[in-house]
Amino acid sequence: DVKVTQSSRYLVKRTGEKVFLECVQDMDHENMFWYRQDPGLGLRLIYFSYDVKMKEKGDIPEGYSVSREKKERFSLILESASTNQTSMYLCASSPGDWNGYTFGSGTRLTVV
Amino acid sequence: RKEVEQDPGPFNVPEGATVAFNCTYSNSASQSFFWYRQDCRKEPKLLMSVYSSGNEDGRFTAQLNRASQYISLLIRDSKLSDSATYLCVVNMGNTGNQFYFGTGTSLTVIP
Repeated sequence: DVKVTQSSRYLVKRTGEKVFLECVQDMDHENMFWYRQDPGLGLRLIYFSYDVKMKEKGDIPEGYSVSREKKERFSLILESASTNQTSMYLCASSPGDWNGYTFGSGTRLTVV
Repeated sequence: RKEVEQDPGPFNVPEGATVAFNCTYSNSASQSFFWYRQDCRKEPKLLMSVYSSGNEDGRFTAQLNRASQYISLLIRDSKLSDSATYLCVVNMGNTGNQFYFGTGTSLTVIP
């Protein structure tokens, strides 16, 4: 089974802090994604990557950046955390053949 | 208009009932379709893919109607363990492997 691992299950950070969310997958998937999920809004795509060192903006990239230095790792960075970035963050990966995603278990981030 | 739309529910049904969810999508060029299940405070997990000819997996049946641009999920003989949120997921077929999610339909099966 594909495993997607997110480094933290719960995080509490202060406004203005720089926050790193890490995601690692072990199945050599080309594609990796970062979503946030909020009640009533569903999953919204922040950034995605089709290859190492490659990144594309999703629907809500403002306030975020990403890094993909190795194929298996895709990091989401909140440059200066704000309270409206309190959310559940989900990382996903997929092979390049339309077979759907596998998600990590999520990181619930609270910015105070 | 949202790319993928679902009735959020909630659907509250007794054990043993049959329940159906629909999901509409906006892009007629969409290539692939899925239903995901998400339990409370957990990540979404793939329930089943949806094929053009329709497909069945035990008590679950998924169907695709390309002409009307919707997919459906039918659950027969509902179990308490079916209580979850069901997410409709569509690949838009434009930028490769980018998927769009519905906001989910909440199902509670009542004893």
